[in-house]
Amino acid sequence: QKEVEQDPGPLSVPEGAIVSLNCTYSNSAFQYFMWYRQYSRKGPELLMYTYSSGNKEDGRFTAQVDKSSKYISLFIRDSQPSDSATYLCAMSAGDDKIIFGKGTRLHILP
Amino acid sequence: KAGVTQTPRYLIKTRGQQVTLSCSPISGHRSVSWYQQTPGQGLQFLFEYFSETQRNKGNFPGRFSGRQFSNSRSEMNVSTLELGDSALYLCASAPGLPMGYYNEQFFGPGTRLTVL
Repeated sequence: QKEVEQDPGPLSVPEGAIVSLNCTYSNSAFQYFMWYRQYSRKGPELLMYTYSSGNKEDGRFTAQVDKSSKYISLFIRDSQPSDSATYLCAMSAGDDKIIFGKGTRLHILP
Repeated sequence: KAGVTQTPRYLIKTRGQQVTLSCSPISGHRSVSWYQQTPGQGLQFLFEYFSETQRNKGNFPGRFSGRQFSNSRSEMNVSTLELGDSALYLCASAPGLPMGYYNEQFFGPGTRLTVL
């Protein structure tokens, strides 16, 4: 079983819809959870950062962590064509190592 | 404040050659990490440097090496290139050790390496 699993997509949704992106993980020691957005031909940029369980909201983005289920989610409200990108989840146990999911390609259809 | 810069942005090499990639971190950042990104494997950790010392190394062969200079700039080298080394190589910088700066790690745009 891989440490972090993420559906590669592509996921296509109409503009204005709510997008749900998810990752599952196997290492119960993970405590730090991140979501990155990567546009084509660019490096990843940090979108959301969460420590331990719970929800965190930033504008149209909400990150959720359910440690009991080893499941994290990123929700995008009122999705825009500019949200079209690859979204990577990442997590760490508090050491120097950050494990990334393979990314989900998201297309927002105008 | 300038972001992380990587040079060159694109590179084409042939099998057996060697290549050196460069990363300049954000001013004041002392930690540099390198990653390889491919469609099949995603983002895979190569190595991490802090204050000129390699602190961690991923599961890559010895053909992959790196170093960090006193000004925090870093280089990675791949010797005896193979077709499978074609990838986007990303570096990321952080103010200190990554364990304390997960929310302050910034990536560069990457170097796209193609091995023919």
